Amino acid sequence: EVQLVESGGGLVQPGGSLRLSCAASGFTFGSYEMNWVRQAPGKGLEWIAYISPTGQTIHHADSVKGRFSISRDNARSSLYLQMNSLRVEDTAVYYCARDNSLVQDYTNYNWFDPWGQGTLVTVSS
Amino acid sequence: AIQMTQSPSSLSASVGDRVTISCRTSQGISNELGWYQQKPGKAPKLLIYAASILQSGVPSRFSGSGSGTHFTLTISSLQPEDFATYYCLQDHNFPRTFGQGTKLEIK
Repeated sequence: EVQLVESGGGLVQPGGSLRLSCAASGFTFGSYEMNWVRQAPGKGLEWIAYISPTGQTIHHADSVKGRFSISRDNARSSLYLQMNSLRVEDTAVYYCARDNSLVQDYTNYNWFDPWGQGTLVTVSS
Repeated sequence: AIQMTQSPSSLSASVGDRVTISCRTSQGISNELGWYQQKPGKAPKLLIYAASILQSGVPSRFSGSGSGTHFTLTISSLQPEDFATYYCLQDHNFPRTFGQGTKLEIK
């Protein structure tokens, strides 16, 4: 069974740091692009980071650029999100999601499936 | 960044109704768009990718259409399990952007 399991969430003070992990199983992790997506309480979904299979290509949303860093360890089938200088507005459920792709008629399509169950990060004093 | 405008933000409907949700983008994205369903306390679930390709295992009452800047998700006959929040997501470029969501409620 293809599965993603996040961990590492919790309560942290503003300005603090936290490292999230996403453990993958049931597929060849090193062959897939991966993403982090978050959802603040009662709000919509926000994409925050992407990493290519080798880790050579990385993108972060402007809202987290310079504070958060996505990384991966293919030998451990694990994805990470290092979060520094945390703010109250970073409070959210954080999901990892596998990025699937299809090239058709010279267009590259991508979609997120599956998703992990999410891990809650609360930034509060 | 590509701006996503999803409408309506909420919708009341009855079992058996046909409903349509719209997603408009601030620039053309070919058909590089997906639709996701999210139920309270759960992770989002993929319904459709490449604007119109139904994900395996998703009921055929769900369909997607559109290209360029206007996309629609249609549910042909609402079932009780379809009451949820729906999001569109563009995969044309980075940053990836989601629509604001459409909450589908029981009338």
